[in-house]
Amino acid sequence: EVQLVESGGGLVQTGGSLRLSCEASGLTFRDYWMHWVRQAPGKGLVWVSRINSDGSSTSYADSVKGRFTISRDNAKNTLYLQMNSLRAEDTAVYFCATDSKYTILLWGQGTLVTVSS
Amino acid sequence: QSALTQPRSVSGSPGQSVTISCTGTTSDVGGYNYVSWYQQHPGKAPKVMIYDVIKRPSGVPDRFSGSKSGNTASLTISGLQAEDEADYYCCSYEGSYTWVFGGGTKLTVL
Repeated sequence: EVQLVESGGGLVQTGGSLRLSCEASGLTFRDYWMHWVRQAPGKGLVWVSRINSDGSSTSYADSVKGRFTISRDNAKNTLYLQMNSLRAEDTAVYFCATDSKYTILLWGQGTLVTVSS
Repeated sequence: QSALTQPRSVSGSPGQSVTISCTGTTSDVGGYNYVSWYQQHPGKAPKVMIYDVIKRPSGVPDRFSGSKSGNTASLTISGLQAEDEADYYCCSYEGSYTWVFGGGTKLTVL
């Protein structure tokens, strides 16, 4: 059974940093592109970032470009999202998810990030 | 990267059919056959119900179907059941390795 387990969320001050992790099991992690998608409280889903299988190619939503960095460690079956210069509007549940031929496929349960002054 | 347009809510009685639309542009929905639909129950992770416009993952009931015409994709749920009550989101690839979601539609089963 495929499992994606996010961690690293919490309360952080405006302007602060946080690193999220997503540990994968039940799949050959190194074969998959991966995504981060977020959902603000009571709001819809918003795509954040994607990374290819070996980490050599990344892409970002305009709203996080220059502040967030996606990366992965295939030896540890783990995806990361480094978030810097956090703003109140970054408050959300952050989901990691696998990609299959341009479809965001299997999702973790999410981790909540709260940015407050 | 503007969100795709979905109706905020739709409703139907058990056994009826409902259709949820998802309108984009030639740069996303109209330009690629990479439209997917997700079901999300409160407090839960999204689950893919349709991908590549019309394909259904194994385990998803055939009551769920997808289609596309021009810049608008649609999800149809036939034979509505109580457990179908949830939020539904469309998503489209928009080129340059970026994706865009719709604003979401709340389905109420009356």
